[in-house]
Amino acid sequence: GAVVSQHPSRVICKSGTSVKIECRSLDFQATTMFWYRQFPKQSLMLMATSNEGSKATYEQGVEKDKFLINHASLTLSTLTVTSAHPEDSSFYICSASQYSGTSGLPSYEQYFGPGTRLTVT
Amino acid sequence: SQQGEEDPQALSIQEGENATMNCSYKTSINNLQWYRQNSGRGLVHLILIRSNEREKHSGRLRVTLDTSKKSSSLLITASRAADTASYFCATDASNYGQNFVFGPGTRLSVLP
Repeated sequence: GAVVSQHPSRVICKSGTSVKIECRSLDFQATTMFWYRQFPKQSLMLMATSNEGSKATYEQGVEKDKFLINHASLTLSTLTVTSAHPEDSSFYICSASQYSGTSGLPSYEQYFGPGTRLTVT
Repeated sequence: SQQGEEDPQALSIQEGENATMNCSYKTSINNLQWYRQNSGRGLVHLILIRSNEREKHSGRLRVTLDTSKKSSSLLITASRAADTASYFCATDASNYGQNFVFGPGTRLSVLP
């Protein structure tokens, strides 16, 4: 099956610094990748949709200048948390979608990375 | 409330029993997918069921979809301790195609 990797898996940084998280689709090309944030014991909340070669689309309430997304190739998207603060501490998960339409109905399966645990001290 | 709401929020059963989780949603969809997440880990895709399908099986998993009631259920038969995890449904809205909306999840505990 399709594999998505994330790096790093864990990162601890000091308040005010920036952190970059990479998301790669290893065995397929993904024109669209998604970034989610998950707080403890909560569900995934979509932060932004990243399309290769174009600007990301951010969900309401997500600051685009704070969470910089770059989708430079069909297999790589990066999320940079700029000027991180303790409230940015969370589990960040990316996914890459692959078209799987059959029977005339378009469908996309999303394959998720293992997540990145960010702790801002 | 958000699209895709699971019920119950938490479920505790004995090993060998069946576990049933439900998901309700509000708008029309192309498909609905179920995922499993072990604590602190990424999501594992379990099953995708399309809007023109009513039931799908995969091993010990059985998913049903009732578009008239806008609901889906995930049944895990003969549960094992290793099935302990959070289970999420995600709906794929008809006109968008790729934007999943996740429910809050059901935390399943299978006791040995």
